[in-house]
Amino acid sequence: DTGVSQNPRHKITKRGQNVTFRCDPISEHNRLYWYRQTLGQGPEFLTYFQNEAQLEKSRLLSDRFSAERPKGSFSTLEIQRTEQGDSAMYLCASSLAARQGGGYTFGSGTRLTVV
Amino acid sequence: GENVEQHPSTLSVQEGDSAVIKCTYSDSASNYFPWYKQELGKRPQLIIDIRSNVGEKKDQRIAVTLNKTAKHFSLHITETQPEDSAVYFCAASRTDKLIFGTGTRLQVFP
Repeated sequence: DTGVSQNPRHKITKRGQNVTFRCDPISEHNRLYWYRQTLGQGPEFLTYFQNEAQLEKSRLLSDRFSAERPKGSFSTLEIQRTEQGDSAMYLCASSLAARQGGGYTFGSGTRLTVV
Repeated sequence: GENVEQHPSTLSVQEGDSAVIKCTYSDSASNYFPWYKQELGKRPQLIIDIRSNVGEKKDQRIAVTLNKTAKHFSLHITETQPEDSAVYFCAASRTDKLIFGTGTRLQVFP
């Protein structure tokens, strides 16, 4: 287990299509986070899970976005009816809940381009 | 809502000089403040963090200071090297959700 793994690394899609990204966290980490990063900006919080429970979801996350972590291991982030404004880097991170606010390890991200 | 402001947005220094990046946060309940370094095309990596019960923390050439009363925290890099060139992000948290600043692009010229 070498870290947080995300795939695909790059995704180009046409506007209106659905896309799904996957994140495999560090195996012993029970918390998993999704962030979005646009050029020149800091990562923006989307949602996070503790085990399989989705504990918080950003108010900025429209109903076109949905995330799951069905068995408390890997997670998927789906965007329905993609728009050009969805183009961004989608970052996943994981941590141990025992270390409050600490130990975030980020994946390399999935870069989404909506054309 | 929760907000973290970071400045400067860009910082250029000569190799060997010091660099300071400052952040302010809005949520007075925040109690954890990490700093991340992100090189071009790579993932953010944690370089140092501080919790609210501590005013200062140092790790070799990197130090972070926290003023809870003023809701300010700063990153100090001494004896900068070209490999310190990257984008640095501060963040604040009161649970596990991190709120990030907008980043500082640091360039260290040899």
